Amino acid sequence: SQKIEQNSEALNIQEGKTATLTCNYTNYSPAYLQWYRQDPGRGPVFLLLIRENEKEKRKERLKVTFDTTLKQSLFHITASQPADSATYLCALDMSGGGADGLTFGKGTHLIIQP
Amino acid sequence: DGGITQSPKYLFRKEGQNVTLSCEQNLNHDAMYWYRQDPGQGLRLIYYSQIVNDFQKGDIAEGYSVSREKKESFPLTVTSAQKNPTAFYLCASTDLFEKLFFGSGTQLSVL
Repeated sequence: SQKIEQNSEALNIQEGKTATLTCNYTNYSPAYLQWYRQDPGRGPVFLLLIRENEKEKRKERLKVTFDTTLKQSLFHITASQPADSATYLCALDMSGGGADGLTFGKGTHLIIQP
Repeated sequence: DGGITQSPKYLFRKEGQNVTLSCEQNLNHDAMYWYRQDPGQGLRLIYYSQIVNDFQKGDIAEGYSVSREKKESFPLTVTSAQKNPTAFYLCASTDLFEKLFFGSGTQLSVL
């Protein structure tokens, strides 16, 4: 069965450093992969989408890579700030068309310490 | 302001009772989704609807029901058959079947 794995433990990073989060998946070749941010008691918010033919995508301090050979995506936050503390979710379209909804990983809880 | 509105924010269910969670969107999106989130767990898909008057079961549909009579609305009923309903419920929508827009969620607890 398809599976998405993210670092299940909290990730503690010192302010100003680069935070790197990992998303690994098995048994599927998605057309794209997405990252979301979720704050406690709130719904996830879309951050970035990267397609299978894109190696890297950037948005301000965020960078996502997508290695379809390794079946892995890395999500980087550079110059991290305490306001970046949240849970970050990786999501894939497992159905091949997108209309059937996304499959989400369990998320990585990121803590940026001042 | 366009967006997705979920209500109520908090809901309590007595044993044997059915409860309905509201989800309304003014984004003019065709597709809408309901996810369930348990502490420390990923989101799991309950039901989804790609068009008015049509919906499909997701991975954990047992004990839940939905309707899609209007494009803007996709209510979820948690029936008494759902024996473990305590969770955070999230409604989402999309237009191009790519990125999802989520509501702020409903926390359902059992009395």
